[in-house]
Amino acid sequence: ETGVTQSPTHLIKTRGQQVTLRCSSQSGHNTVSWYQQALGQGPQFIFQYYREEENGRGNFPPRFSGLQFPNYSSELNVNALELDDSALYLCASSLAREWDEQYFGPGTRLTVT
Amino acid sequence: AQKITQTQPGMFVQEKEAVTLDCTYDTSDPSYGLFWYKQPSSGEMIFLIYQGSYDQQNATEGRYSLNFQKARKSANLVISASQLGDSAMYFCAMREVNFNKFYFGSGTKLNVKP
Repeated sequence: ETGVTQSPTHLIKTRGQQVTLRCSSQSGHNTVSWYQQALGQGPQFIFQYYREEENGRGNFPPRFSGLQFPNYSSELNVNALELDDSALYLCASSLAREWDEQYFGPGTRLTVT
Repeated sequence: AQKITQTQPGMFVQEKEAVTLDCTYDTSDPSYGLFWYKQPSSGEMIFLIYQGSYDQQNATEGRYSLNFQKARKSANLVISASQLGDSAMYFCAMREVNFNKFYFGSGTKLNVKP
């Protein structure tokens, strides 16, 4: 059974650029959630995708968008990067309705300069 | 109001002793789930324990137990017989089922002393 994987591990971007982060769900999981974790803080929920549809969203602006593919892998896209977007981005996969089995990936560290 | 409040930024405990990490929550959703996660310095988020809002009994998973007091809106994590490997950040989290949102607290850094 393959765990949740994320790519890339680290990324450096310039303010105003766009970035795409990728997540591969654990085998058999059809739900993926994305979180932003700033240094020294708890993760903040960005959004969740279930069967390729957005299924819940936190307080993030529209420049944060996502996709889920038929194989349940997922992308997080951030446009017009700001310095405050620098953070660890975590994705987590689960079976719908089984949030007690939400498995996290190792995260992507994004630095915006 | 904060959805999840963890009032202990840092705690120390002696190896083999028990420790309680505090968590209070706020929600208007009658259906919710409460979680605790461990995040070692390596960064991965590890699920520890889950309690549903309708569960009558407190959840337990090995050395972890969740002291759920619904009327007080608290969901404290109790770690029995602390081990050096328990040193990490601990996050309390809540899922609002009907609103389909998820919230984490600010975390408690636990240091286990030999």
